[in-house]
Amino acid sequence: EIVLTQSPASLSLSPGERATLSCRASQSISSFLAWYQQKPGQAPRLLIYDASNRATGIPARFSGSGSGTDFTLTISSLEPEDFALYYCQQRSDWPLTFGGGTKVEI
Amino acid sequence: QVQLVQSGAEVKKPGASVKVSCKASGYTFTGYYLYWVRQAPGQGLEWMGWINPNSGGTNYAQNFQGRVTMTRDTSISTAYMELSRLRSDDTAVYFCARDRAGDNWFDPWGQGTLVTVSS
Repeated sequence: EIVLTQSPASLSLSPGERATLSCRASQSISSFLAWYQQKPGQAPRLLIYDASNRATGIPARFSGSGSGTDFTLTISSLEPEDFALYYCQQRSDWPLTFGGGTKVEI
Repeated sequence: QVQLVQSGAEVKKPGASVKVSCKASGYTFTGYYLYWVRQAPGQGLEWMGWINPNSGGTNYAQNFQGRVTMTRDTSISTAYMELSRLRSDDTAVYFCARDRAGDNWFDPWGQGTLVTVSS
């Protein structure tokens, strides 16, 4: 199974700052990577799919990049509502797997 | 709008079974795969499997083979996930999620159903 490793585990930033989250795959997954945001007590929400495509309704401050084994989610200027957990997910091979998450906190 | 509404929280004893429902609205139910994902308390996300609501075909993650059954009732646009022989480590929030556009991305998600396994 493809293992996704996210780093850092947590990130302490202030509103207005730039956040850079990493996801590394144990083998090449081409561009078959998505990012989800999860707030406490809520279901995850799709942010980015196919490594760099924003999902419907996602603000432009969220961007994704990478291919192969190394991927990045960037939040250009943190808004108060962006403080949450972020997960990456791959669909290159079965089983579908998720990373362990990065918590973006104030 | 597309919406998935799940059944309410459950408390079960070890060895019992639980069946969680996921009612879809706002789109053609048979047109999109549905996935099930679980999240243990304070833990990450674990994919359990999918069901094709059109054919009823399923694909289960190996970790759940033999214990999970995914079904659907197209007349009421509802999918079900039944997990048997429950253990304490099955305590988790169980989510259903729709396939975004035939591409194995999850969008949107149901609100989640907490299943607690305790003697």
